[in-house]
This record gives sequence, C-alpha cells and structure tokens, in this order.
Amino acid sequence: QVQLVQSGAEVKKPGASLKVSCKASGYTFTGYYIHWVRQAPGQGLEWMGRINPNSGDTNYAQKIQGRVTMTRDTSISTAYMDLNMLTSDDTAVYYCARDFSYGLDVWGQGTTVTVSS
Amino acid sequence: DIQMTQSPSSLSASVRDRVTITCRASQSISTYLNWYQHQPGKAPKLLISTASSLQSGVPSRFSGSGSGTDFTLTISSLQPEDFATYYCHQTYITPFTFGQGTRLEIK
Repeated sequence: QVQLVQSGAEVKKPGASLKVSCKASGYTFTGYYIHWVRQAPGQGLEWMGRINPNSGDTNYAQKIQGRVTMTRDTSISTAYMDLNMLTSDDTAVYYCARDFSYGLDVWGQGTTVTVSS
Repeated sequence: DIQMTQSPSSLSASVRDRVTITCRASQSISTYLNWYQHQPGKAPKLLISTASSLQSGVPSRFSGSGSGTDFTLTISSLQPEDFATYYCHQTYITPFTFGQGTRLEIK
C-alpha cells in the first residue's frame, strides 16, 4: 500500500542541525511532490516547503528559508528535510506528505523533534 | 504570502448538530483550497480537495464549497469521531499557507 515512513524522534541542542527522512513505498516516488509540514506544541499546522522528487526543485517558506534544505534520493525513494541552527521554536512534530496535485493525500507518521539545552 | 483566516477558532457542538467552518483567503485562490482533519497523535487527514471534492472514504456528511476568497466546510450531522481540529490550506501559490485551525469540541 502507499505509505510514507519517517525517521525516529530526535532530541537536539540549540544551534544543532536536524535531518529527517521520509521513505516512500507503494507508488512511483518521482511522480508526486513531497511536502513538509510541522506542528509546534499547542500551535497549528505550518507549511515548511516542498520538493519535486523528479527534478529536485524546491520551494520553502520564507520563515525558515536559509535554514532549511529539502533533498531526495530517488534510488531509495526517500526524501530528506534538513534544518540547521535549531532553536526551541523548532520543537515540533514534523510530517512529510505526498501531494497528488489536489492535496496532501498520504502522510508520514510524524517525527517528534525536541530542541533543548 | 496569502493569509488564510478561519472562523471560528473554536466551536462547541453536540452530536447530530450541523456545523459550518469558514476560511477566507487574503486574495483570490480560485478553488485551490483543501480541508484537513487533525486528531491528536495522528497525522492530518485530507477531507476535501479543490474546495468541494470529497476524498474517497470520507463520509458524505462532510462537504465543502466556495471559490475565490471565501470557503466553507460543513459537517451535516456531527458524529463522535468528528471532534478534532480542522484546517484549510491553500495551494494556489507558494508558500502554501494553512489557516490557524478550528478546534471542534463536544458541548
């Protein structure tokens, strides 16, 4: 079945870097954009950006531009989200999701990231 | 960036009530508007795409309408499993912004 499986929970110190992976299965990885969305504690959903797995083209939210890089490895059907210079404001659950052109129809299980000294 | 404003921010309702949530975009987004249901501890779930298309497997009590800047999500008869937070999300132009969410609580 179509699914996205994310890497496990992370605890990071302020100023550190984060890499979350999102492995796709059950469909043609290069055929659908992958988006990244996060939810900080007590807050709403925040769109972070997206990557075209076929071309590697990306779009990022301005708030995190300069700190975020989204990449992919088509040989293993996996997308990655790197975020550097972490602060406590980056504490959140991070989700990857597939875009079937009419919305985000398949989501990963979420990766909890805690940034604390 | 396009701002998405949902109202109300929270709502108390009873089982079998009819509920409507609105979402307003700061500029026209045609019908590039999706609705998601988010329950604690779970991934968000796509309910409605392109403003009014019900996703496969989503109960017919959910419906969406609107175009341009004003959109609505209606639940015709609330069921216990519908108590969650609902988000609108525009995919007209990047950055693809979410509304702030509407928390639907049991009265």
